[in-house]
Amino acid sequence: EDQVTQSPEALRLQEGESSSLNCSYTVSGLRGLFWYRQDPGKGPEFLFTLYSAGEEKEKERLKATLTKKESFLHITAPKPEDSATYLCAVLSGAGSYQLTFGKGTKLSVIP
Amino acid sequence: NAGVTQTPKFQVLKTGQSMTLQCAQDMNHNSMYWYRQDPGMGLRLIYYSASEGTTDKGEVPNGYNVSRLNKREFSLRLESAAPSQTSVYFCASSEGPRGYNSPLHFGNGTRLTVT
Repeated sequence: EDQVTQSPEALRLQEGESSSLNCSYTVSGLRGLFWYRQDPGKGPEFLFTLYSAGEEKEKERLKATLTKKESFLHITAPKPEDSATYLCAVLSGAGSYQLTFGKGTKLSVIP
Repeated sequence: NAGVTQTPKFQVLKTGQSMTLQCAQDMNHNSMYWYRQDPGMGLRLIYYSASEGTTDKGEVPNGYNVSRLNKREFSLRLESAAPSQTSVYFCASSEGPRGYNSPLHFGNGTRLTVT
């Protein structure tokens, strides 16, 4: 059974204090890994797709990386508006596809 | 450009009542999905539709029915609501079919409470 584990569950940062969120996975046949941002009372918003180990993608203060077992979402010099829950999802399988979501990391950036 | 629109935003039902959650997308996507999100759990797929007239069960389909009315609209029906169906329900769409690396575009959810 595919498993996606995100850590930590919650993270509090001071504004400007860089850190990383982790998404570790155990799946059969990785086809892609997605990162989403979810604000309170809203639906998840797509950030990145990563396809293979070694791949990196950046958007403003966010940088996502992928290895064979995990992905990191690096947040550089975060601002209060970066506060949200970040979700990781893994697409796996060949023929019968499975998209498995992690439980998310709730990030709070304190001014 | 509204993206994915869900109605209602909030709903309270008594056990045994029925209701339909509505979803419409204006991105001309073929694939549409219904997910539920519960505290301490990842999003779980209820039903999927690859195109008008086709639907497939997801991970947690029991107690639900769906209708893909046309390319734009995908509704979720609870025939006899149970407290275990208290959740936040999200509709999503994607450009490519399930299994392709097309990101999901989500609506803002319906918060359902069953008492």
